[in-house]
Amino acid sequence: ETGVTQSPTHLIKTRGQQVTLRCSSQSGHNTVSWYQQALGQGPQFIFQYYREEENGRGNFPPRFSGLQFPNYSSELNVNALELDDSALYLCASSHGQGADYGYTFGSGTRLTVV
Amino acid sequence: AQSVSQHNHHVILSEAASLELGCNYSYGGTVNLFWYVQYPGQHLQLLLKYFSGDPLVKGIKGFEAEFIKSKFSFNLRKPSVQWSDTAEYFCAVGWSGYSTLTFGKGTMLLVSP
Repeated sequence: ETGVTQSPTHLIKTRGQQVTLRCSSQSGHNTVSWYQQALGQGPQFIFQYYREEENGRGNFPPRFSGLQFPNYSSELNVNALELDDSALYLCASSHGQGADYGYTFGSGTRLTVV
Repeated sequence: AQSVSQHNHHVILSEAASLELGCNYSYGGTVNLFWYVQYPGQHLQLLLKYFSGDPLVKGIKGFEAEFIKSKFSFNLRKPSVQWSDTAEYFCAVGWSGYSTLTFGKGTMLLVSP
């Protein structure tokens, strides 16, 4: 069973609203990465947090923001939701900040924007 | 730009058939290579990974992959598939020094009993 926990599992929001997704990382992991997986696509990197600082960002607009807390858990916030934001949002934790380490993925949050 | 290509979007096999899924990445440098599997309704699970050393890597559930540096490839293989291997398979590449993994679009494997 995965050590990464995400909540909620499913969410329906209206266009223009704001949403917060949460992630608890695997024990011993100090880095959290967020990915967006649209239907029929592979996961796309949103950003990564290491020691509470953003450490790398993919091609996503500023309305996608995040936080990492001292216990290494993390939040993904999306403002002004658009229909295209509908996707599975995956959180992955690792020990270390680069792609030199393996990642453990959570089960994801399925966000539907209507 | 960094990219990962998976050649087949859908593969249908009968049980006991052999499997090979192709994966190529865009350019060189030091890379770490991963194959993940996503069973229906479940999270991404690591099948195997290559960081360095023997380019033939063995993973869980009888899967293996071979890193061919000259071809920028990391193909996944299994000699005999089972119905329970029905899932989506993702190849992912991490370029050393970067924060991110770059994923391919995935290959949906359907194994018929």
